[in-house]
Amino acid sequence: NAGVTQTPKFQVLKTGQSMTLQCAQDMNHEYMSWYRQDPGMGLRLIHYSVGAGITDQGEVPNGYNVSRSTTEDFPLRLLSAAPSQTSVYFCASSPGQGFVDEQFFGPGTRLTVL
Amino acid sequence: RKEVEQDPGPFNVPEGATVAFNCTYSNSASQSFFWYRQDCRKEPKLLMSVYSSGNEDGRFTAQLNRASQYISLLIRDSKLSDSATYLCVVTGTGRRALTFGSGTRLQVQP
Repeated sequence: NAGVTQTPKFQVLKTGQSMTLQCAQDMNHEYMSWYRQDPGMGLRLIHYSVGAGITDQGEVPNGYNVSRSTTEDFPLRLLSAAPSQTSVYFCASSPGQGFVDEQFFGPGTRLTVL
Repeated sequence: RKEVEQDPGPFNVPEGATVAFNCTYSNSASQSFFWYRQDCRKEPKLLMSVYSSGNEDGRFTAQLNRASQYISLLIRDSKLSDSATYLCVVTGTGRRALTFGSGTRLQVQP
């Protein structure tokens, strides 16, 4: 049981490039989410999903897209990277059915945009 | 005003000390409450859920005061391994999302 996995662990992009951060979980959790963590800001919710085919915006969704075609996977796409998107990105899943309960986090992706 | 507010610290305490962290939240409709622990450059991990009746897990005690919208975490007999950042977390209306505080850093010294 791997829990929540994220790839890549580190990434450097140039301004304007696009990329996809991968997230997968093997716990059959319906709820998944993406956060970014910046120094002194705490974790801020980007997008979340309460089940396959259902996604919604969080606090800071601009510049990011998500899709949820399967229960296991929840990729985060950066459309046109900007230096302001330099951050640590965490994916998380929760066993709640249609709602969030305690969350289990992946190890994070450290992204630098030059 | 932030939805979840915590004293950022750091709290520097000697081994064996008792230390208490406080957290206030602004959404009176919040339904679930948690304390998470985050080690440097690692992912957050659930420390404990917080219930209205209060709950204890070994050296850790959590309390919730809904009337004052206030959550606390008490750590007794601090260990060096307790050094970390402690995040106060609440759910929003409808329990669709979690809101995290910025965290309180604890440094336990020998």
